[in-house]
Amino acid sequence: DTEVTQTPKHLVMGMTNKKSLKCEQHMGHRAMYWYKQKAKKPPELMFVYSYEKLSINESVPSRFSPECPNSSLLNLHLHALQPEDSALYLCASSQRANPGDIQYFGAGTRLSVL
Amino acid sequence: GESVGLHLPTLSVQEGDNSIINCAYSNSASDYFIWYKQESGKGPQFIIDIRSNMDKRQGQRVTVLLNKTVKHLSLQIAATQPGDSAVYFCAENYGGATNKLIFGTGTLLAVQP
Repeated sequence: DTEVTQTPKHLVMGMTNKKSLKCEQHMGHRAMYWYKQKAKKPPELMFVYSYEKLSINESVPSRFSPECPNSSLLNLHLHALQPEDSALYLCASSQRANPGDIQYFGAGTRLSVL
Repeated sequence: GESVGLHLPTLSVQEGDNSIINCAYSNSASDYFIWYKQESGKGPQFIIDIRSNMDKRQGQRVTVLLNKTVKHLSLQIAATQPGDSAVYFCAENYGGATNKLIFGTGTLLAVQP
C-alpha cells in the first residue's frame, strides 16, 4: 500500500480566512513533504519534515504554516492567503528523508483563494 | 511530433508505437533521478528511478537512460497505450543529505488511438 491521503480535495477560501490542509499516511514513513503546483507547471517543494521535525523550508511565506503532529500526519495551516496562492497543494511521504528514498504523492488539494 | 512553446511541451504518438520523452537536468552533482507520471486530477505517480552510477535501467515497458556527460535523461515507453496519456516529469535529487527533488518542466504525452 503506497497511499497518501489528502483532505479536502477542493477548498475555496477568502483572503481573510484561516483553513488547514491535511495529509495522512500509514506506511510507517518518517519523511513528509509539501509541494505547490500551479497549472501546467511542475511541483515545487515547500517544506520537508524528517522524524516530525522541519528540516527544509524553501523560503515559503509565513502565511503558510506547516505542522507535523505525529509520524502519520502532516498539516498545512493557511492564513491571509493571496489569490496567487491558488494552486494544487501536494503532500508526499518517503521512508526516510535520504536521497534515493522514493516519494509517494497524494492526489492533492486544489485551493482557490478569492 | 514534439512541440515547445507557451504551453506544456507535447509528444503525440500512435497507440502501439514507442515513446521517448526527454529531459535535461541542471545540476551535475545530482546523483539520483526519477520519472513521475501525473494524470489529470491526480498526484504524481512514481514510474522508475536511476542512480548516477548507472546509465540504463529497465522496468515493465519502461526504460530510463542517463547521459551524465550532457546531463540528459530519457524515458522510453514501449508499445504506448491510451492509459499512458499523462504529463511526465523527470526529477533530480539536488545533492546534499536530504531528499530534495527538483522537477523538470514536464511533457504531455498524448496517445492517439
